[in-house]
Amino acid sequence: GAVVSQHPSWVICKSGTSVKIECRSLDFQATTMFWYRQFPKQSLMLMATSNEGSKATYEQGVEKDKFLINHASLTLSTLTVTSAHPEDSSFYICSAHAGTGNNEKLFFGSGTQLSVL
Amino acid sequence: GENVEQHPSTLSVQEGDSAVIKCTYSDSASNYFPWYKQELGKRPQLIIDIRSNVGEKKDQRIAVTLNKTAKHFSLHITETQPEDSAVYFCAAVIGDYKLSFGAGTTVTVRA
Repeated sequence: GAVVSQHPSWVICKSGTSVKIECRSLDFQATTMFWYRQFPKQSLMLMATSNEGSKATYEQGVEKDKFLINHASLTLSTLTVTSAHPEDSSFYICSAHAGTGNNEKLFFGSGTQLSVL
Repeated sequence: GENVEQHPSTLSVQEGDSAVIKCTYSDSASNYFPWYKQELGKRPQLIIDIRSNVGEKKDQRIAVTLNKTAKHFSLHITETQPEDSAVYFCAAVIGDYKLSFGAGTTVTVRA
């Protein structure tokens, strides 16, 4: 299947600093990518839809100024957690869909475990 | 928006027995229903999916059924093995591949 690469896989940062997470589609072009966050033992919650060349669409309750999304190319979307605080500690994961018609499927990146001290 | 409910939240089965997880969705426009398996700290892995024009799909020990009228779909795992132990998520999609996930089911296969 298609490969979605995500980096870093884990990051520890101090409170107040910013962290950038990259999501790349390695063997296909992704005009749309999705960003999710997952707290321990909980489900994945959609944060935003990243659109190549345009502004991201954020889900209700997600602060767009805190979670900056940039989708500058057809293979790269970045999520920057600005002024991170301990409550932002979570597993962040991106996804992209590839294929066409009935073969179209959604593939996930490997995820980033963020710990804010 | 779409609301997906998943049951049970935990499921313990004896190795070799079957496991069934059920999900319901709220929006009749949903047309794609994937199931994911997630191991601790790892990405969700697609294990099977079904589209709204199909009622049942099978892949070896895994099968999914869809009842559009009742708006529910189920995952069936037969002849369970210890490596089937994981968290399983159902999801429903409308159009643009925005997934609405169920809450997840922790499956434990006892040897």
